[in-house]
Amino acid sequence: NAGVTQTPKFRILKIGQSMTLQCTQDMNHNYMYWYRQDPGMGLKLIYYSVGAGITDKGEVPNGYNVSRSTTEDFPLRLELAAPSQTSVYFCASSRTGVSSYNSPLHFGNGTRLTVT
Amino acid sequence: AQSVTQPDIHITVSEGASLELRCNYSYGATPYLFWYVQSPGQGLQLLLKYFSGDTLVQGIKGFEAEFKRSQSSFNLRKPSVHWSDAAEYFCAVGAVNQFYFGTGTSLTVIP
Repeated sequence: NAGVTQTPKFRILKIGQSMTLQCTQDMNHNYMYWYRQDPGMGLKLIYYSVGAGITDKGEVPNGYNVSRSTTEDFPLRLELAAPSQTSVYFCASSRTGVSSYNSPLHFGNGTRLTVT
Repeated sequence: AQSVTQPDIHITVSEGASLELRCNYSYGATPYLFWYVQSPGQGLQLLLKYFSGDTLVQGIKGFEAEFKRSQSSFNLRKPSVHWSDAAEYFCAVGAVNQFYFGTGTSLTVIP
């Protein structure tokens, strides 16, 4: 199994450009998450989804959009890139939600984004 | 509000020495607690988790953690550290549909 796959691994954007970070999982997980990781700040939740067609905001959703048209895919869209969005972005998935003992988070290897 | 505090930003230990990484949480109900490890350039990997029952939980790679409700703590321990344990460690609390992460502790292992 590939698990959670994120593309691209690295990207440099100019201010105002847009891009989509791709995330695909092959474990048939219902729950998917997008986090950003900044030095000394840990991981902050951007958006999450509990199933196809359902998304919700996390702690830091401003400047981002998501969609979940299939169980497998959960792309993250940046419409107008800003320097504050320079970060490492992680996608994660889990079979069910937090309350299930046998449903840990599975992480992708991350996308390092620089906005200049 | 839910939150996780990892007081130690960086810890250095000698190989073979014991290790304890601190984690304090804030959560109104029974917490679901996790420790994750992140190697450079990689995503996070689950080390262990606590949901209920025995307050001492065992994880992978020889790690264990103890849940202490009275202290709102979930400290990670390892009796003898190996050079390959050098990484960043994150404590997390699960609440409703979300996981809240601490800011991480970076571990350096000296030969």
